[in-house]
Amino acid sequence: DGGITQSPKYLFRKEGQNVTLSCEQNLNHDAMYWYRQDPGQGLRLIYYSQIVNDFQKGDIAEGYSVSREKKESFPLTVTSAQKNPTAFYLCASSIATGLSSYNEQFFGPGTRLTVL
Amino acid sequence: AQRVTQPEKLLSVFKGAPVELKCNYSYSGSPELFWYVQYSRQRLQLLLRHISRESIKGFTADLNKGETSFHLKKPFAQEEDSAMYYCALSVPSGSRLTFGEGTQLTVNP
Repeated sequence: DGGITQSPKYLFRKEGQNVTLSCEQNLNHDAMYWYRQDPGQGLRLIYYSQIVNDFQKGDIAEGYSVSREKKESFPLTVTSAQKNPTAFYLCASSIATGLSSYNEQFFGPGTRLTVL
Repeated sequence: AQRVTQPEKLLSVFKGAPVELKCNYSYSGSPELFWYVQYSRQRLQLLLRHISRESIKGFTADLNKGETSFHLKKPFAQEEDSAMYYCALSVPSGSRLTFGEGTQLTVNP
């Protein structure tokens, strides 16, 4: 089954712990994204990467970190500095053509993180 | 900075009735607008984009630059249209999307 995979599906973390969410794609897409989905707030962009070894902060990057060492992988670390980490996290990817009209983003199934 | 607003968090209609999901945006240039949909237990996926001027699953959306709106419409709603709908905006030559808050549509039998 091709596409974007996220693991784990559910994740529990104690306060003060860092945790890493996995995102892998086999679509050969250049661009990858991390969103946070909260009820009533829609999707908010955390980080995105348009090419390997490069990434940019989104709108709510504080308390998060990412890496892009491989084209197919874009892991997200939720650090203890994130004040309210309990949320649903979505990863996406797209072809970075520079033609924004056609940059359809393909989404993973998501990871639900709960801080105990 | 650009912004997308969906004023209705919840929208409920009966099967066969027309439906309109509102989307307003703020951006000083010419944006690219999209509608994404998330059906129950499925992934978020693209429904349509304004540049294609297409009808998908009976839905259409027209970009109104004067009113800065991109409302999603369907003349006759079906039960399978029940889902969460997100309006999204991209700036020219940009790859990132700015999403609205989402509208949960329920089509009652």
